[in-house]
Amino acid sequence: DADVTQTPRNRITKTGKRIMLECSQTKGHDRMYWYRQDPGLGLRLIYYSFDVKDINKGEISDGYSVSRQAQAKFSLSLESAIPNQTALYFCATSEGGGRNEQFFGPGTRLTVL
Amino acid sequence: AQSVTQLDSQVPVFEEAPVELRCNYSSSVSVYLFWYVQYPNQGLQLLLKYLSGSTLVKGINGFEAEFNKSQTSFHLRKPSVHISDTAEYFCAVSTVGSQGNLIFGKGTKLSVKP
Repeated sequence: DADVTQTPRNRITKTGKRIMLECSQTKGHDRMYWYRQDPGLGLRLIYYSFDVKDINKGEISDGYSVSRQAQAKFSLSLESAIPNQTALYFCATSEGGGRNEQFFGPGTRLTVL
Repeated sequence: AQSVTQLDSQVPVFEEAPVELRCNYSSSVSVYLFWYVQYPNQGLQLLLKYLSGSTLVKGINGFEAEFNKSQTSFHLRKPSVHISDTAEYFCAVSTVGSQGNLIFGKGTKLSVKP
């Protein structure tokens, strides 16, 4: 079984709709991250969480919100989706500290029409 | 603030040829350096990382990278590539003593041709 899972894997929605992307992990890590990937731009950090009560904005948090429901679950919401939020979204987890590897989920491909 | 530059967006190469994917970083403090690989339709996975010590780091699938502090570079190399190495490769940096968030480069697409 995968250590980091994301649902849904693909989603097509319309402008103005509310969307939630979910991430679950079985690695027992405290730290969780949400990134978006756009062609030619690499990965950019949206939000990160060091534990259930510690949530922080990343580089591009505008238009997004998150919820850390438990150590193992971290959800990303788009309150009112817009077309330029069309992207590939990744969840990742890690143990504490910058020297540690991040483990990535398989990604959610979101299309906003 | 730190940044990462991957000098080539695409690298085409023939099977069994050597390859080098270039990465330069900018930081005013000491760094940890990483290379991740993304195979088609998959998430990222770690190839190798430099934390300290020996500047030549060996990773999975025959890849290696060399940390050069004076040139602020961390280039990835493989002496002989396979078709299965076709993927996108990301260089990333985090700073020692920071919260540990990664800054990613924009990626290099390696295309291995038969």
